[in-house]
Amino acid sequence: RKEVEQDPGPFNVPEGATVAFNCTYSNSASQSFFWYRQDCRKEPKLLMSVYSSGNEDGRFTAQLNRASQYISLLIRDSKLSDSATYLCVVNRVGTASKLTFGTGTRLQVTL
Amino acid sequence: DAGVIQSPRHEVTEMGQEVTLRCKPISGHDYLFWYRQTMMRGLELLIYFNNNVPIDDSGMPEDRFSAKMPNASFSTLKIQPSEPRDSAVYFCASSLPDSTDTQYFGPGTRLTVL
Repeated sequence: RKEVEQDPGPFNVPEGATVAFNCTYSNSASQSFFWYRQDCRKEPKLLMSVYSSGNEDGRFTAQLNRASQYISLLIRDSKLSDSATYLCVVNRVGTASKLTFGTGTRLQVTL
Repeated sequence: DAGVIQSPRHEVTEMGQEVTLRCKPISGHDYLFWYRQTMMRGLELLIYFNNNVPIDDSGMPEDRFSAKMPNASFSTLKIQPSEPRDSAVYFCASSLPDSTDTQYFGPGTRLTVL
């Protein structure tokens, strides 16, 4: 079983739609969680951290469910510029330095 | 400020050749990470350094891969001899010591081994 699992998609949504991605992780002792964004043929960039209480950044909302070991990302009012691959990231237990990346969920927002 | 710098951006080589990838981290970042990304396996951590010292190289696939960090502003990842299955995008990333969860990635080196 992979440490971090994501639906690869693609998710094709019209502009203005709300879309949600989920991610599951296998190690219940994982401590830190993130969403990174990767544009086509570009490097990954941190989108937002995920806190137990949930957190929001503009149109983006991230939530963590420790009991079920999943993380979600909700994007409201999708823009064309949101088209990218969204990587779910978990830190490895024992060291905060080692991040484990999911293989990503691809989002395509269309007119 | 300049971000993480990697060179070359693209490398095409033949099986058996030596390949050297280069990285310059963001100034002041004490941590440097080397990753490999493929469609099948996603982004995998190969090795990381703290203050120029290799901390964990458990992700290095085999002895053909080696990495060095001779000073705080330069690191290399070497593959010798290269094989077609090494074809991937290799990313270098760096981070501050108190914020290693936030890693800043370079643009990557797209390696093709024929």
